[in-house]
Amino acid sequence: DAGVTQTPRHEVAEKGQTIILKCEPVSGHNDLFWYRQTKIQGLELLSYFRSKSLMEDGGAFKDRFKAEMLNSSFSTLKIQPTEPKDSAVYLCASSWTDYAEQFFGPGTRLTVL
Amino acid sequence: GDSVTQTEGQVALSEEDFLTIHCNYSASGYPALFWYVQYPGEGPQFLFRASRDKEKGSSRGFEATYDKGTTSFHLRKASVQESDSAVYYCALGDQGSALGRLHFGAGTQLIVIP
Repeated sequence: DAGVTQTPRHEVAEKGQTIILKCEPVSGHNDLFWYRQTKIQGLELLSYFRSKSLMEDGGAFKDRFKAEMLNSSFSTLKIQPTEPKDSAVYLCASSWTDYAEQFFGPGTRLTVL
Repeated sequence: GDSVTQTEGQVALSEEDFLTIHCNYSASGYPALFWYVQYPGEGPQFLFRASRDKEKGSSRGFEATYDKGTTSFHLRKASVQESDSAVYYCALGDQGSALGRLHFGAGTQLIVIP
């Protein structure tokens, strides 16, 4: 089975740009998670979907971050407008049910200049 | 709210040393506990989980025992190898909640010197 796929692997943006990160979860998984990872804050949950419905939207990230699940096999994370403090690794993960193992993608490293 | 504390930010050991990484949790309900490992350039990988008091999880020579009394889930390995160098995350999920999210600790970087 294919694991979680994330594209692009690296993204460089100018301050104020709009960027869209993409994620394809493991086929058949019901839950999808977006995380931001930095050395200082560690892993922070951005959004959580179950069967395409938004279950949790990280409060601190609501204003410029928007995650969507267009169908059960594809999700996007839009950051608009980007700021230098958004520089981080963005991870997508999926799992098939509650508290089952979460499978993580390799992440997208975003650099905002 | 639910949280996980990993005491050590970094642990440096020589090959064949014994490893302990401490994980303590705080939860209002009865959590499931997890360990994940992350190698450079990759996302975290599931190591194992435990769902009830005194249950032991294990994988790849690593193990941890769920201890409700001390609210701990410490990671141990008898003899580390250079290939074990990575960041290790402890996490919890509230089994009483309808939500499947996990709360991750800050992570512990393990450096194994050959």
